[in-house]
Amino acid sequence: DAGITQSPRHKVTETGTPVTLRCHQTENHRYMYWYRQDPGHGLRLIHYSYGVKDTDKGEVSDGYSVSRSKTEDFLLTLESATSSQTSVYFCAIGVRSGNTIYFGEGSWLTVV
Amino acid sequence: QQQVKQSPQSLIVQKGGISIINCAYENTAFDYFPWYQQFPGKGPALLIAIRPDVSEKKEGRFTISFNKSAKQFSLHIMDSQPGDSATYFCAASGSGGSEKLVFGKGTKLTVNP
Repeated sequence: DAGITQSPRHKVTETGTPVTLRCHQTENHRYMYWYRQDPGHGLRLIHYSYGVKDTDKGEVSDGYSVSRSKTEDFLLTLESATSSQTSVYFCAIGVRSGNTIYFGEGSWLTVV
Repeated sequence: QQQVKQSPQSLIVQKGGISIINCAYENTAFDYFPWYQQFPGKGPALLIAIRPDVSEKKEGRFTISFNKSAKQFSLHIMDSQPGDSATYFCAASGSGGSEKLVFGKGTKLTVNP
């Protein structure tokens, strides 16, 4: 157990509404990541963080923003959800300089 | 674009057989190669990892073979069991805190009883 909690675990939302997914860790790790998983695409990095207020974009960041005001929390926001953002979202923490990462249990998001 | 190419996409093996999943990478700066196992409805879990200073690493029935000159690495599951049925992801990264893992697209393994 890597001490990662994602919330909500399941959510259905309407197109155009804002959505925030929360990732909480209990072990004070510096590195945190948000991935999305889609059939045929594997795991793709959305945004990542190296510390409080230190975030950067991954390969599929369009339409997403993140915030990290505390070490333990990393928030992913969809400002205006679209159907293409229907996916499973995984938060992860990085240990040993970030190379070794451990995933949370996932958040299933459906945009209708 | 850094890539890790994984094959096959899906694999069906009989119980007791050997499952082999292959990955190839392009970036010669990669020096960390983990494998993740994911069961339906769960997050990927770190299974085993290797660095290029060794050509093979074994943990129980799981073995990583690494070929630096060919820029390839593979996962072998010996005596495959139905409980091994899952999706497996290979990944690669360089060293240091700024390096991020690049994942293959996954292999869905089914082990028939």
